[in-house]
Amino acid sequence: AQSVTQLDSHVSVSEGTPVLLRCNYSSSYSPSLFWYVQHPNKGLQLLLKYTSAATLVKGINGFEAEFKKSETSFHLTKPSAHMSDAAEYFCVVTHTGGFKTIFGAGTRLFVKA
Amino acid sequence: DSGVTQTPKHLITATGQRVTLRCSPRSGDLSVYWYQQSLDQGLQFLIQYYNGEERAKGNILERFSAQQFPDLHSELNLSSLELGDSALYFCASSVAGNAVNEQFFGPGTRLTVL
Repeated sequence: AQSVTQLDSHVSVSEGTPVLLRCNYSSSYSPSLFWYVQHPNKGLQLLLKYTSAATLVKGINGFEAEFKKSETSFHLTKPSAHMSDAAEYFCVVTHTGGFKTIFGAGTRLFVKA
Repeated sequence: DSGVTQTPKHLITATGQRVTLRCSPRSGDLSVYWYQQSLDQGLQFLIQYYNGEERAKGNILERFSAQQFPDLHSELNLSSLELGDSALYFCASSVAGNAVNEQFFGPGTRLTVL
């Protein structure tokens, strides 16, 4: 069975400060993990994905995530937040050979000027 | 622009009615996924088609059905609509049938059931 938990429903940061969005997963298989972003009234866009290669994954717009098997975590980080980063972020788990995609509940990121 | 198109953008209908949502995948993509996004349930995977055949089923109600046509576009049919079916319905596509591939999402169809 697979599941994904996003530990914060809302995160608020000031512009220029670091961003940390937390995600824990559970999977009976070797997982593939993704982060997607959804801006208001828009569809989802892939930020980055982990599929058993390097554990530190770099994505678009300066985001990165680190796969930590021992902690079953895949937290999303960015060194310096920008106003345009305000959006909802979804952590997603699936696995190689799998077909179902499990989305977390989402974390809404607010960026203050 | 992801290359995935969905029509209509908005749909307002009454309880008990039936509607059809349409999705055209990116050129070259063989898989189509349908999702429902609502405030109380979040983003739920409904169903996936790959090259015309059903590949995976998620939390899709029996009142809902989907199909993928030979030209690879897909339709999601929702019948006997209830107030609780009001949601944003997303279609996504990917090049292959395995869920580890990146999915490209359309802009969504907002369904309002009155």
